[in-house]
Amino acid sequence: NAGVTQTPKFRVLKTGQSMTLLCAQDMNHEYMYWYRQDPGMGLRLIHYSVGEGTTAKGEVPDGYNVSRLKKQNFLLGLESAAPSQTSVYFCASSYSKKASSGRDTQYFGPGTRLTVL
Amino acid sequence: GNSVTQMEGPVTLSEEAFLTINCTYTATGYPSLFWYVQYPGEGLQLLLKATKADDKGSNKGFEATYRKETTSFHLEKGSVQVSDSAVYFCASDSGGGADGLTFGKGTHLIIQP
Repeated sequence: NAGVTQTPKFRVLKTGQSMTLLCAQDMNHEYMYWYRQDPGMGLRLIHYSVGEGTTAKGEVPDGYNVSRLKKQNFLLGLESAAPSQTSVYFCASSYSKKASSGRDTQYFGPGTRLTVL
Repeated sequence: GNSVTQMEGPVTLSEEAFLTINCTYTATGYPSLFWYVQYPGEGLQLLLKATKADDKGSNKGFEATYRKETTSFHLEKGSVQVSDSAVYFCASDSGGGADGLTFGKGTHLIIQP
């Protein structure tokens, strides 16, 4: 079991360039999430998905798009990168949202460090 | 919306000292509460969690009790080790709906030998 993997680990972009971050999980989880981590800010939710073919906005969705074409993959896209998007991006997944199920724990990937110049 | 407030660090302690990291939350409904730990260069790992009032989560010598009356979930450990040096995040879910976790800003813990 690889758990949650993220590709790439590091990336440097110039302002205006585009890129896609890939998240993959092999735990058959329904729910997947994208967060960004900034110094002194904790983690903030960008977008999430409750199942294949569905996506929803989180706390800070502007400038990002996502897709969940396959259950195991969750893609995060930046169409026109800006310096304000310099951050560490984390993907997470979970079986369920319901605490009563005991399966609501989110498992995190190792992160992607993105720098936009 | 939800919010989580935790003490900001860095917190520097000597090995075998007692640790407390404070965490308070605001939320509608009845959220689950979590402590995650992040070691250098790695993603977040779940340390412990509690799903209802008065529940105590525990793992690796760490404990936290869900206190609804004080809206708190303070992390404690009786005797810290150098290997506990990491960043600790308190988090809550919304209590309903699949909209991810709300995190505190993180507390950097440094344990000196």
